[in-house]
Amino acid sequence: NAGVTQTPKFRILKIGQSMTLQCTQDMNHNYMYWYRQDPGMGLKLIYYSVGAGITDKGEVPNGYNVSRSTTEDFPLRLELAAPSQTSVYFCASKTEYTDTQYFGPGTRLTVL
Amino acid sequence: AQSVSQHNHHVILSEAASLELGCNYSYGGTVNLFWYVQYPGQHLQLLLKYFSGDPLVKGIKGFEAEFIKSKFSFNLRKPSVQWSDTAEYFCAVNPYNTDKLIFGTGTRLQVFP
Repeated sequence: NAGVTQTPKFRILKIGQSMTLQCTQDMNHNYMYWYRQDPGMGLKLIYYSVGAGITDKGEVPNGYNVSRSTTEDFPLRLELAAPSQTSVYFCASKTEYTDTQYFGPGTRLTVL
Repeated sequence: AQSVSQHNHHVILSEAASLELGCNYSYGGTVNLFWYVQYPGQHLQLLLKYFSGDPLVKGIKGFEAEFIKSKFSFNLRKPSVQWSDTAEYFCAVNPYNTDKLIFGTGTRLQVFP
C-alpha cells in the first residue's frame, strides 16, 4: 500500500512549455485534490474530483487542467507554463466517509 | 470569504520549552478542524483533528489542541518541544458538508537543542 504517489519530484520548465504532473493513489479513495504551496501562503486548492469522470475548480484553477478517467489517477496539466506557476504541488485523496486527506510527497516545479 | 489565520509565522524555541500555535477561522457554521505537520523534505501528515465531542483533542507525539467555539479558535499546544518537532505546522478547516479543506498560511517552528 503505497498511499499517494506523485511524479516527478522535481522539474524545471521553460516559459510556454507544457507538462503533466502525475498523481496516483492505491487506497480506492473517491476524492482527490490538487494543491499548490507557495512560501508564506499555505496551500491553495487548484482542482478537485469526487469520483471518476467528475472534476471541479478550486480556488486557483487558472492555467491548469485536470482529468479523472480512473479512480486511481488524477493528473494535473499545465499547458503554457508561466513563472507564476513556480510552486510545490501536492496531491491528496480521501474517502467519502471521512474528512481526513492523505497527501503525496509533492512535486517541486520551477518555471524559468 | 472563509479563511484561516495563523498569526505566528515563525517561532523559534529551545528544547523543553512549551509551545502554543494560534489558529483562528472565519466561518459561522459547523466545522471540522485539523492540524497538519510538514517535516523538512516530507509531505504533510495529519497531527490531530477535531470533529465533535471533547474540545480538547490529543494527537501524535504529545501534541494537543483545544477547540474554543466562542473564539473560533483551535490552538495547538505541546508542553515540552523537542528538536525533532522542527517543522511547518498548518491549521485547516473543513466547513461542514463541504469536501474542501481551507488551510492557514502555516507556522514554521524551529527548535534548537
